[in-house]
Amino acid sequence: KAGVTQTPRYLIKTRGQQVTLSCSPISGHRSVSWYQQTPGQGLQFLFEYFSETQRNKGNFPGRFSGRQFSNSRSEMNVSTLELGDSALYLCASSLLIGGGLNTEAFFGQGTRLTVV
Amino acid sequence: DQQVKQNSPSLSVQEGRISILNCDYTNSMFDYFLWYKKYPAEGPTFLISISSIKDKNEDGRFTVFLNKSAKHLSLHIVPSQPGDSAVYFCAASVGSNDMRFGAGTRLTVKP
Repeated sequence: KAGVTQTPRYLIKTRGQQVTLSCSPISGHRSVSWYQQTPGQGLQFLFEYFSETQRNKGNFPGRFSGRQFSNSRSEMNVSTLELGDSALYLCASSLLIGGGLNTEAFFGQGTRLTVV
Repeated sequence: DQQVKQNSPSLSVQEGRISILNCDYTNSMFDYFLWYKKYPAEGPTFLISISSIKDKNEDGRFTVFLNKSAKHLSLHIVPSQPGDSAVYFCAASVGSNDMRFGAGTRLTVKP
């Protein structure tokens, strides 16, 4: 079956702009989580969506937002971009919310965002 | 705040030897722990997990050990192979709540 698909793979934006990233989960998966990966900080949790509702949220400013559609596809939006937002943004899909106790999350290849 | 810490940014071992990757956490409420492996230009892939009711879980060459009193988690790879060279992330969660990741350890297995 097809894996998690993230688009676009690479993106260059200027400070102050806004950006929308897309994630299509594995068919049948209802949970989509977003992570930011930066050198030294590892993977930091942004938020999780399940059945079109945000269920969990990490410690990121309100400039970071997301949504999930009825087909479980999810988008992440970052407004008023800052240089520090340059990172690899990964989304992960899983069957159950939070990946459940006995299931794991499947990650996409990520979107590399560069803010100049 | 870094609730999950991987204090070694890199590790180099010889092929055939044991690789030990370490992870410490501060939140005593964490009850589920996972290890992910990440190759360049790919997303992380799940490797192995352990719940807090166990202290060891084994899957082939990979074994995860959990020491709850020390809030310490380790991943053992025996024997190490060049294909194991990757960045390894440990992660922890409280039930089904958001998962916290460490910064990662880059493992290099030399032939």
